[in-house]
Amino acid sequence: QSAPTQPASVSGSPGQSITISCTGTSSDIGSYSLVSWYQHHPGKAPKLLIYEVNRRPSGASPRFSGSKSGNTASLTISGLRSEDEADYYCCSYVGSFNWVFGGGTKLTVL
Amino acid sequence: QVQLVQSGAEVKKPGSSVRVSCKTSGGNFDSFAIHWVRQAPGQGLDWMGMLVPYFDRPDYARRFQGRVTIMADKSTSTVYMDLSRLRSEDTAVYYCARVREVGKHDFDSWGQGTLVTVST
Repeated sequence: QSAPTQPASVSGSPGQSITISCTGTSSDIGSYSLVSWYQHHPGKAPKLLIYEVNRRPSGASPRFSGSKSGNTASLTISGLRSEDEADYYCCSYVGSFNWVFGGGTKLTVL
Repeated sequence: QVQLVQSGAEVKKPGSSVRVSCKTSGGNFDSFAIHWVRQAPGQGLDWMGMLVPYFDRPDYARRFQGRVTIMADKSTSTVYMDLSRLRSEDTAVYYCARVREVGKHDFDSWGQGTLVTVST
């Protein structure tokens, strides 16, 4: 199972919006609306931001939103803040009790 | 409040095995799947496998089949991940993570991570 493709890096200025894509195949993202997104600061545990494509867990910031079209899922962060600087990963269920993470995207807040 | 507490850092020789534990507290241990994810230096998150203690039937990523074993001790609410035939590429931080709800496919509670270093 190949990892979904994410851009290696994205950047934005405070207050701007950015979108991170996660491109899989018809066997994973295209088949299941079971994509989640995680924020990972170095040295800390990953944090769930979005589940089931576009749902936010309780307590999650509304500045994070998710969507999916075909084989590509996307995470949008609006109103960028310095504390958003981190690595971001998508994760998809791929069937047969297997999951796969995307390659990860490093977000730099300029 | 769910808490996952992992065992401490390990240094292992190539060819040996390592066991990482993940002790859970809060919530129903039997019903919630526990997943294992690792991150090698400079690399991304990598899903390794999972187990629902109630069913006691683990599932593994294909590339780890034959080298990884995940098991649960219900008496102590602890899940273990064994990795054998270690090689230098297995040097990584290993995380356990619990699903947000029973039967769901996302992970909202994570352990603090365990660094496993494989070196001669």
